Amino acid sequence: ETGVTQSPTHLIKTRGQQVTLRCSSQSGHNTVSWYQQALGQGPQFIFQYYREEENGRGNFPPRFSGLQFPNYSSELNVNALELDDSALYLCASSWTGSNEQFFGPGTRLTVL
Amino acid sequence: KNQVEQSPQSLIILEGKNCTLQCNYTVSPFSNLRWYKQDTGRGPVSLTIMTFSENTKSNGRYTATLDADTKQSSLHITASQLSDSASYICVGTDSGYALNFGKGTSLLVTP
Repeated sequence: ETGVTQSPTHLIKTRGQQVTLRCSSQSGHNTVSWYQQALGQGPQFIFQYYREEENGRGNFPPRFSGLQFPNYSSELNVNALELDDSALYLCASSWTGSNEQFFGPGTRLTVL
Repeated sequence: KNQVEQSPQSLIILEGKNCTLQCNYTVSPFSNLRWYKQDTGRGPVSLTIMTFSENTKSNGRYTATLDADTKQSSLHITASQLSDSASYICVGTDSGYALNFGKGTSLLVTP
C-alpha cells in the first residue's frame, strides 16, 4: 500500500452528467498528479497540482478540472461526461524535487 | 512528440523461468526512465528509476537496464513467480512533472 487513497472505488454515470473524484495524498507529499487509463492502455497525464495551483496539464479539454486543498488532498472534476471518459482514473502524490510518484488504487468510472 | 513503445504486448511464461521485456523511448529532454508493475484494477507500483547516467538497476528479482544512446531499456525478471503476473509499464520522464507511459506488457506466469 502506498498511502494514497481514492474515492469512490467505482462509479457509474450517464452521458452529460458531472462527476467528482477524490484523492488523499501520502503524508508529507505536496504534489498531486491525475491520470486517465483507458482499458488496455497506459495512463495518460491529465494535470498536476502543487500548492493548490495547476502546475502542468496534458492534452485534455477544459471540462476536466481540478482542485488541491491546503491539506494537499485533491479533486478531479469532469463535466459533460462522454462515453470515452470511461476509464480508470489514477492519482499520484509526490514531494517536490523527488523522482518518485506514489499511485492510489484508482477510481473506475463507467459512462453509459 | 514524446513516445514510449513496449514489446511484446503480452507474454506467457512458466513459473520459474526468466523473461525480458523491452522498451524504446523518444523523450526529450530526457530526465529518467521508470518501470512500474500494475496489477489488474490497481494503481502502478514503482520497480526502478534510472537517470541517463545509470546503466542498470536491480530491485530483488527485477533488473532494469538503460542504454541512453540507443534510447532503449529492458526489464529482466528472474525465476518468475505466479505473483509476477501483471502489466509492466515503461515510463519516460521529461520535464519532471509529466510521465510518458507506454501501453505496457501483459505478463502471465503459469504453473
